[in-house]
Amino acid sequence: EAGVAQSPRYKIIEKRQSVAFWCNPISGHATLYWYQQILGQGPKLLIQFQNNGVVDDSQLPKDRFSAERLKGVDSTLKIQPAKLEDSAVYLCASTLLGTHAGRGYTFGSGTRLTVV
Amino acid sequence: AQSVTQPDIHITVSEGASLELRCNYSYGATPYLFWYVQSPGQGLQLLLKYFSGDTLVQGIKGFEAEFKRSQSSFNLRKPSVHWSDAAEYFCAVGARGGGADGLTFGKGTHLIIQP
Repeated sequence: EAGVAQSPRYKIIEKRQSVAFWCNPISGHATLYWYQQILGQGPKLLIQFQNNGVVDDSQLPKDRFSAERLKGVDSTLKIQPAKLEDSAVYLCASTLLGTHAGRGYTFGSGTRLTVV
Repeated sequence: AQSVTQPDIHITVSEGASLELRCNYSYGATPYLFWYVQSPGQGLQLLLKYFSGDTLVQGIKGFEAEFKRSQSSFNLRKPSVHWSDAAEYFCAVGARGGGADGLTFGKGTHLIIQP
């Protein structure tokens, strides 16, 4: 089965610019997650979707970050405007509906964002 | 709120020696527990997971971990490391039940293998 696809792989932008990341989960996976991994730290959950609805966005900086999952398949994460501290790897993960965390996720390779 | 502590930032082990990476968690009940490995420039790969039953779980690449409820620990072990095991290792905890079940990760342990 194909894995979780993310693009772009790398992105360099100037502060105050906007950027968008795309994720296509494994076919049939209803639950999708976005994580932010700052260098030297573990991933931090930003948002969780189930189908096209938001389950948890408590750690999403909503003044600058937004995410959507139209039609319950692929998802876009946007940052506008970007700050230097947003430099990180943005990871997307997906899992089957109803299996929750106990089954484990499949992670994509991530998008590495550098804000200069 | 749940949390994970990995007390060792770096660990250096000689090739062929045994390995133990420590993980302590904080959670109100019995959580789901995971170990992931991340090689440079790569995504996260699941090594093993615990959610019920036998407290000693076997994973891929010869790794195992033991859940100790009394110590709130889930330490990762391998009897003999290989140079290819050099990577970043993350312990994670997940909530049981439905709804919000995103993982909380530790800060990771960087494993260095000496020849």
